This record gives sequence, structure tokens and C-alpha cells, in this order.
Amino acid sequence: GAVVSQHPSRVICKSGTSVKIECRSLDFQATTMFWYRQFPKQSLMLMATSNEGSKATYEQGVEKDKFLINHASLTLSTLTVTSAHPEDSSFYICSAIAFRGGASAELFFGEGSRLTVL
Amino acid sequence: AQKVTQAQTEISVVEKEDVTLDCVYETRDTTYYLFWYKQPPSGELVFLIRRNSFDEQNEISGRYSWNFQKSTSSFNFTITASQVVDSAVYFCALSEAGNTGKLIFGQGTTLQVKP
Repeated sequence: GAVVSQHPSRVICKSGTSVKIECRSLDFQATTMFWYRQFPKQSLMLMATSNEGSKATYEQGVEKDKFLINHASLTLSTLTVTSAHPEDSSFYICSAIAFRGGASAELFFGEGSRLTVL
Repeated sequence: AQKVTQAQTEISVVEKEDVTLDCVYETRDTTYYLFWYKQPPSGELVFLIRRNSFDEQNEISGRYSWNFQKSTSSFNFTITASQVVDSAVYFCALSEAGNTGKLIFGQGTTLQVKP
């Protein structure tokens, strides 16, 4: 089946630094990817929709200058947490839609990336 | 607005017991999808099922079964003869049919199966 891979799976950084997380669709092209954030013991919240070749669409309350999303190719979307602070520590998960013939589409999630900001 | 409610925050059962996880949703759409995911401690989301709003047939897959009731906007999940490996957080989610990738998740139910 289709696979979505995230890298890194875990990252620890110092406060004030920027961190980039990659989301790749390994065996299909994804014009649209999604980024979610999950705080400890909480649910997943959609942060933004990543569109290949155009600007990402952010959900209400998500700072676009804080969470930079770049979807430069049909298989890669990146999320950069700029000037990270401890409150940005979270589990970030991406997903992508694989279109199979006709109107059939399947949604696949990456393994997630756990960010810890010291 | 769309909303998914999983009223059970935590459930604890003893191995071999049956357990039902509740999910109630709200949407104004007539066409939508409902999902269940399992999230073990490692964090990755394990897909369990996707059901579209026009298919109200109950589904059974091994020890798992799902009961979709549009009349009560519920999509409950039952694990029969639970096992310790079933211990995880389970999420119910909803998406519009026109935007399958944009999921609204419930709060999640933590299931602990004790030996």
C-alpha cells in the first residue's frame, strides 16, 4: 500500500532555533498534504493544508509565520517551526491523499515527528 | 460546524471482555466520511475503518465491529474478546466528502486492557 514517511521521527532543539520536518509520499504523488499537531494526551488538530505549487491554507489560530509550510514537489511537504519555544513541543503528523483510479482516494498518515524544545 | 465527541475518556477492561467505544458526530453535510484510528504508545496512527455516509451497513473485521446509526449520528466501535495488545488510544474522525483529507478528530478514548 501507499506509504507516507516523516523525518525526523524525534527532534530535540534549543529554544529560539528553527526545526524542519519533512513529509514524503513514497510511492504516489500528493498534490495535497495535511499537517496536524497533537499535544500530550490530547486530540489531533489540523494545522494547515499544504498545496503543491501554491501557498498553504492555515486553520484559524495557527500562525503562518511561525509554522512555515512548503510543498515544492508532488512528493514532499515540509513544516518548519521557526524560533521554536517550549510551548511548540508537540507531536506533528502529516497525511496525504493517494488517488487511485476514478473517484477513489485513500488517506495515509505519516509516522509522526515528536518535537521537544528545551 | 463539524464536531466529533468521544465521551469516554478512559476505559479499563480485563482481557477477554467485550468493550464498546462510543462516537457521536455532528455535521450539516449530507455526504461525509467517518473513520476510526488506533494510536499505540509509539504514536503512529493505525487506520481501522472508513465508512461513507451512504453506507449504514454494520461492519465486522475479526474481533472488531462497527455500528453506524445515522438516526443518532453515532459510529460506535466494539472490540470483542479484548486483548492486551488492544491497549491504545482510539480516535473517531469525520471528514467532508469533498475534502477527505481534512479530518475532525474526537478527543480520543484511552483503552487499557489488563491481563
